Amino acid sequence: GENVEQHPSTLSVQEGDSAVIKCTYSDSASNYFPWYKQELGKRPQLIIDIRSNVGEKKDQRIAVTLNKTAKHFSLHITETQPEDSAVYFCAASSNGGSQGNLIFGKGTKLSVKP
Amino acid sequence: DGGITQSPKYLFRKEGQNVTLSCEQNLNHDAMYWYRQDPGQGLRLIYYSQIVNDFQKGDIAEGYSVSREKKESFPLTVTSAQKNPTAFYLCASSYGNYNEQFFGPGTRLTVL
Repeated sequence: GENVEQHPSTLSVQEGDSAVIKCTYSDSASNYFPWYKQELGKRPQLIIDIRSNVGEKKDQRIAVTLNKTAKHFSLHITETQPEDSAVYFCAASSNGGSQGNLIFGKGTKLSVKP
Repeated sequence: DGGITQSPKYLFRKEGQNVTLSCEQNLNHDAMYWYRQDPGQGLRLIYYSQIVNDFQKGDIAEGYSVSREKKESFPLTVTSAQKNPTAFYLCASSYGNYNEQFFGPGTRLTVL
């Protein structure tokens, strides 16, 4: 089945710097890759997603890149702000018996220092 | 934050007791999911349902049970067979597979 590895587990940056979180997946048939942000004590919320027919997607300060050949995808946050501090989860769709279910990485705790 | 709700927010139970967590959605989503979240472990799938009256085991189904009698509701029962039930439980729903999952606010279960 699908396996998703996420790195780093913790990331600390200064306000205004960029942050990059990377994930790798094992199933070459996976075709949907969302990123969720979870603030302390709150529910995960989708911040951006990408499908396998595109290589990059941007939404203001957030971008995601996908390399299907290498089976990895990354989240890029530019001009970080203190409110970006949260745990970020990547996920990849499973294409085995549980068609389309998401397999999540273990999360990256991002701290943005003012 | 409406659309998918979970209750209660906090739940305390004695060891050996079964407990049922509620999940309701008014988004008209066909698919619903239950995840368990432990520190440093990400989100692990317990059960999922793609249609009413049908559900499938996820990666960590042992000690849990579900039902899907209505499209809007997907309750999770944590049974006494679950060896380590203390955790944060998240319910989610989506328009079928390969689409955004919307999460509920979660239930924090503590077994004493």
